[in-house]
Amino acid sequence: EAQVTQNPRYLITVTGKKLTVTCSQNMNHEYMSWYRQDPGLGLRQIYYSMNVEVTDKGDVPEGYKVSRKEKRNFPLILESPSPNQTSLYFCASRVTGVKNIQYFGAGTRLSVL
Amino acid sequence: ILNVEQSPQSLHVQEGDSTNFTCSFPSSNFYALHWYRWETAKSPEALFVMTLNGDEKKKGRISATLNTKEGYSYLYIKGSQPEDSATYLCAPGSMDSNYQLIWGAGTKLIIKP
Repeated sequence: EAQVTQNPRYLITVTGKKLTVTCSQNMNHEYMSWYRQDPGLGLRQIYYSMNVEVTDKGDVPEGYKVSRKEKRNFPLILESPSPNQTSLYFCASRVTGVKNIQYFGAGTRLSVL
Repeated sequence: ILNVEQSPQSLHVQEGDSTNFTCSFPSSNFYALHWYRWETAKSPEALFVMTLNGDEKKKGRISATLNTKEGYSYLYIKGSQPEDSATYLCAPGSMDSNYQLIWGAGTKLIIKP
């Protein structure tokens, strides 16, 4: 089954404790992206990757890091989480080209205390 | 940052009634517009991708139109059913956004039985 898998689904952590949210897709998509969703706002792009070893900042990259060492995986790293990073995070992937639909993971709800 | 507006923010509709809502976006250098359906506790799923001025797409009881010259798209739902309850997201992509999708905050549709 074609899917984007995010883990964990829920995470409660404390300020400053490094964490990683994993994202994996099995559709051989070149493009992957991370978004955060906050109440009243649209999805905001954090980082995206056009292919292996190619990553670019989105609209809200501060406080986040990503890597794309393999085509299928695109982890999101919070080196020193802060309460303002409490949010719902989505990973997505698609074939290259903005005319192609995006497939989303199930989301990770993160709370930073 | 490009602004995408969806209206209304939320909408209560009686089962069986038809409804529509709007996505407004900057029309310059338009490339594509996506519509997604997002049910609570699930991941967003693609409905349509539209690229040409005057495009009309249909999927069952749901249809969408696109006006790229004036920068808006309408989503229509005919004969609303309880399973249509969801948040509907639109996301245009353009050269101005570096071909990244810019997401509206969504229209939350609630169908009353």
